[in-house]
Amino acid sequence: DVKVTQSSRYLVKRTGEKVFLECVQDMDHENMFWYRQDPGLGLRLIYFSYDVKMKEKGDIPEGYSVSREKKERFSLILESASTNQTSMYLCASSLVTGLGSGANVLTFGAGSRLTVL
Amino acid sequence: AQSVTQLGSHVSVSEGALVLLRCNYSSSVPPYLFWYVQYPNQGLQLLLKYTTGATLVKGINGFEAEFKKSETSFHLTKPSAHMSDAAEYFCAVSDNFNKFYFGSGTKLNVKP
Repeated sequence: DVKVTQSSRYLVKRTGEKVFLECVQDMDHENMFWYRQDPGLGLRLIYFSYDVKMKEKGDIPEGYSVSREKKERFSLILESASTNQTSMYLCASSLVTGLGSGANVLTFGAGSRLTVL
Repeated sequence: AQSVTQLGSHVSVSEGALVLLRCNYSSSVPPYLFWYVQYPNQGLQLLLKYTTGATLVKGINGFEAEFKKSETSFHLTKPSAHMSDAAEYFCAVSDNFNKFYFGSGTKLNVKP
């Protein structure tokens, strides 16, 4: 089974701190994604990456950056955490199969719940 | 841009009763459609997906969904609810560019 591992399940940080959320997948997937999940809003895409060192903004990239130096690892960075970034963060990956790649399935990690005080 | 609407943020059924979770989408191209389930403090797991072919799709744990193009719907059903089905369910749509759009989720409560 594909496994997507998020290193921290629960984090508590202070306003202004720099926060790193790490995600590793073990099945050689090209695509990796960071979502934010808030009650009543579903999942919103922050950033995604389709290859090493490649990234594209999602729907809510403000206040976030990402890094993908290796294929298996995709990091989400909050340069200066704010209270409105308190949320559940979900990492996911998927395989690229060419035409009809929208049929790919997202495999999710267990999530990282971040609280910013 | 595509969008997904899930009617009802909370649905409550009795154990053994029919489960119906509604999902409508807007898409300018033939979509790929998914249902995911999230149990407390966990990530999302795939229940089922529609890509092409048969419009009635069967998934895990006895769930199924039917793609109705004329109604732009992909409702999730299960004939008989079980206590273990209590979770949050998300409908999602994808285009050909590896982007996925999620609904706001429906929390299913199953009463004994």
